[in-house]
Amino acid sequence: KAGVTQTPRYLIKTRGQQVTLSCSPISGHRSVSWYQQTPGQGLQFLFEYFSETQRNKGNFPGRFSGRQFSNSRSEMNVSTLELGDSALYLCASSVAGGSQAQYFGPGTRLTVL
Amino acid sequence: ELKVEQNPLFLSMQEGKNYTIYCNYSTTSDRLYWYRQDPGKSLESLFVLLSNGAVKQEGRLMASLDTKARLSTLHITAAVHDLSATYFCAVSNTGNQFYFGTGTSLTVIP
Repeated sequence: KAGVTQTPRYLIKTRGQQVTLSCSPISGHRSVSWYQQTPGQGLQFLFEYFSETQRNKGNFPGRFSGRQFSNSRSEMNVSTLELGDSALYLCASSVAGGSQAQYFGPGTRLTVL
Repeated sequence: ELKVEQNPLFLSMQEGKNYTIYCNYSTTSDRLYWYRQDPGKSLESLFVLLSNGAVKQEGRLMASLDTKARLSTLHITAAVHDLSATYFCAVSNTGNQFYFGTGTSLTVIP
């Protein structure tokens, strides 16, 4: 079974731009969660989607948004990029969320200049 | 907000030695996860602990959960170089949000 895939793997943007990251979960997984990983703040939960609905949201500003499609693929969008948004963005999928283990993708490394 | 603390943050140990990583969390939860992350790579799920007293073992790693003490441990037995990585614990709440610890960077020295 193919693992979680994320595209692109690396991205360089400038302040004020917007960016869209994509995540394809493992086949059959309906829950997709997004995380931001930085050296200073560690791993922080952004949001979780299940069956095209945002089920949980972390403590991030509204510039961070996401969506999930009927095939469970998910996208994350960050508008008006700031230098502090530079991070590794990880998505993770599980069959239905909850107490199940999450399987992480390789991440998208975003650099904001 | 649920807080998760790990210690130590950095651990350097010799091959063949035993050591324990500790994970404390601030509010009631009976769902505790351990992950491994190699440099430049993503997270790999190691253990899922879902009840008080749960113990799971895989190779030289053993994880346990004490929900009353809000404590999980990851015990390393007879460390080998291949275990060098950063280990994260994570706790999820009833809202299915995952809160991660700061990570423990483990280096096993030959």
